[in-house]
Amino acid sequence: NAGVTQTPKFQVLKTGQSMTLQCAQDMNHEYMSWYRQDPGMGLRLIHYSVGAGITDQGEVPNGYNVSRSTTEDFPLRLLSAAPSQTSVYFCASSYTGGSAETQYFGPGTRLLVL
Amino acid sequence: TQLLEQSPQFLSIQEGENLTVYCNSSSVFSSLQWYRQEPGEGPVLLVTVVTGGEVKKLKRLTFQFGDARKDSSLHITAAQPGDTGLYLCAGGTRGGSNYKLTFGKGTLLTVNP
Repeated sequence: NAGVTQTPKFQVLKTGQSMTLQCAQDMNHEYMSWYRQDPGMGLRLIHYSVGAGITDQGEVPNGYNVSRSTTEDFPLRLLSAAPSQTSVYFCASSYTGGSAETQYFGPGTRLLVL
Repeated sequence: TQLLEQSPQFLSIQEGENLTVYCNSSSVFSSLQWYRQEPGEGPVLLVTVVTGGEVKKLKRLTFQFGDARKDSSLHITAAQPGDTGLYLCAGGTRGGSNYKLTFGKGTLLTVNP
């Protein structure tokens, strides 16, 4: 199993550009989530999904959209990038999202918005 | 908003020393997880504790969940350079179909040879 994969690994955008961060998992996990990690701020939840067709907002959802058309994929879309969205983005998955379950994280996407 | 306060934020010690990292909150969590993250990688789960007062050991690492399920600690005995990394605690809460994992800001540990 590849686990959780994320693409791209690095990206530089100009303010106002749009892009999609890809996340895929091959473990048949129902629960998937997106976090951003900033220095001194820890990991903050952006959006999450408890299954295909179901998504919900996390702590910092503004400026980001998600969709979950399949169990495997959970892309994160930036419609109009802003410098405040410069961060490292992590995708994670678990079986059902239970509070005692292991979250499996991808390697991250490092995004710089100029 | 549930907050998890981790302390210390930075810790630099010599090989062989012992250390403790704390994770505190005013909120009750149904579970508490500890992750370790190395540069350029995603966090990796070390342990999950779910019962108040629970103690788990993983080789030289000892994890404890507070009796009231509001705090946790990670103790490392005889630290080694391989223990270097960012240690994150995360509290789990579930309400209905919603589940959220709240992370602390992390403790950056450096173990010098």
